[in-house]
Amino acid sequence: QKEVEQDPGPLSVPEGAIVSLNCTYSNSAFQYFMWYRQYSRKGPELLMYTYSSGNKEDGRFTAQVDKSSKYISLFIRDSQPSDSATYLCAMRVNTGGFKTIFGAGTRLFVKA
Amino acid sequence: GAVVSQHPSRVICKSGTSVKIECRSLDFQATTMFWYRQFPKKSLMLMATSNEGSKATYEQGVEKDKFLINHASLTLSTLTVTSAHPEDSSFYICSARAGRRSTEAFFGQGTRLTVV
Repeated sequence: QKEVEQDPGPLSVPEGAIVSLNCTYSNSAFQYFMWYRQYSRKGPELLMYTYSSGNKEDGRFTAQVDKSSKYISLFIRDSQPSDSATYLCAMRVNTGGFKTIFGAGTRLFVKA
Repeated sequence: GAVVSQHPSRVICKSGTSVKIECRSLDFQATTMFWYRQFPKKSLMLMATSNEGSKATYEQGVEKDKFLINHASLTLSTLTVTSAHPEDSSFYICSARAGRRSTEAFFGQGTRLTVV
């Protein structure tokens, strides 16, 4: 079983829709949870960063962490064509040094 | 936010030659830099972690003699792909972290390597 599972998609939605992207994980020791956005042929850029269970909001983006279910989500409100990209979840644990595991990434298409 | 610059963004080389990729932190001192490889439609794979002034720590399965990493200063790390083969063609990405207690790293824009 992979430590981090993420549906690769693709996910196609109309402009203005609410998008829900999700990851599950198996290692309960993960402490930090991140979401990255990666445009084609570019490096990843950090979108959201959370430490504890609950919601964190930043503009149109909301990150949600449910440690009891080992499940994290990224919600995008009022999606735009410019949101079309691959979204990667990542999780980190400090075991005397940081270990970061990335999900495979979900490809999102927002249609105008 | 912190800026990490990676150069070149794209390189094509012949089989058997070596290619050097640079990763620079432009506005902060990076005590730790990470090198990743990304295959099409696959997740990022951590190759190695390098701390300034010491030898890089390679992930299991990564050939240290093939992927030479040098982190000679607090703002520069280099990855050299030696004796490149077509199967080394990939997207290589670096990230840099400011301080061992820092919990976040900033990514470069990536280097597309094509070996012909």
